[in-house]
Amino acid sequence: NAGVTQTPKFQVLKTGQSMTLQCAQDMNHEYMSWYRQDPGMGLRLIHYSVGAGITDQGEVPNGYNVSRSTTEDFPLRLLSAAPSQTSVYFCASSGTSGGLQSNTGELFFGEGSRLTVL
Amino acid sequence: GEDVEQSLFLSVREGDSSVINCTYTDSSSTYLYWYKQEPGAGLQLLTYIFSNMDMKQDQRLTVLLNKKDKHLSLRIADTQTGDSAIYFCAEIPYSSASKIIFGSGTRLSIRP
Repeated sequence: NAGVTQTPKFQVLKTGQSMTLQCAQDMNHEYMSWYRQDPGMGLRLIHYSVGAGITDQGEVPNGYNVSRSTTEDFPLRLLSAAPSQTSVYFCASSGTSGGLQSNTGELFFGEGSRLTVL
Repeated sequence: GEDVEQSLFLSVREGDSSVINCTYTDSSSTYLYWYKQEPGAGLQLLTYIFSNMDMKQDQRLTVLLNKKDKHLSLRIADTQTGDSAIYFCAEIPYSSASKIIFGSGTRLSIRP
């Protein structure tokens, strides 16, 4: 069982370039989310989705777009990369429908994508 | 507002107990969590506690919840080298059932 798969694992971009971080899960989870991890700041929520066709903003959405056309996939797009977006990005999913409080809300994480913007 | 705070570092001797502390601001949180992150990996759920509980024990792990002080702690008994990791406290704030808010993480290092 693959769980949550993120690609690429590593990426170097120049300022102004665009790219998409891919996330796929094979657990039929309705809830998916993207976090960024920066030293001393923990994980900060970028965007999340409670089901196909539904997305919403988290704590730090600026500079990122998402879409959720299928249950399995939740790509994160950087339209014009900036050095401030250098970070490790994690995709996470959960089996709950609607809000996370309908059960324990456990998140299953991918292994992360390390992005450097020069 | 929603905020979760932890100290950044903890160093303990192998075999001793580790206590990692966390404070949170949303007193209506339904669930509070401890996640573990090993080097180069994503986070994994270690344990969680429901807000109507004061304590939860699971083998070497003990979670204590003080709702009055909005304080959560994780105690690891007989700390081993394999416990070296970053530990994150997290909550689902009642104000938003679709978010999990994480603390900054506490890096636990083990001394021989």
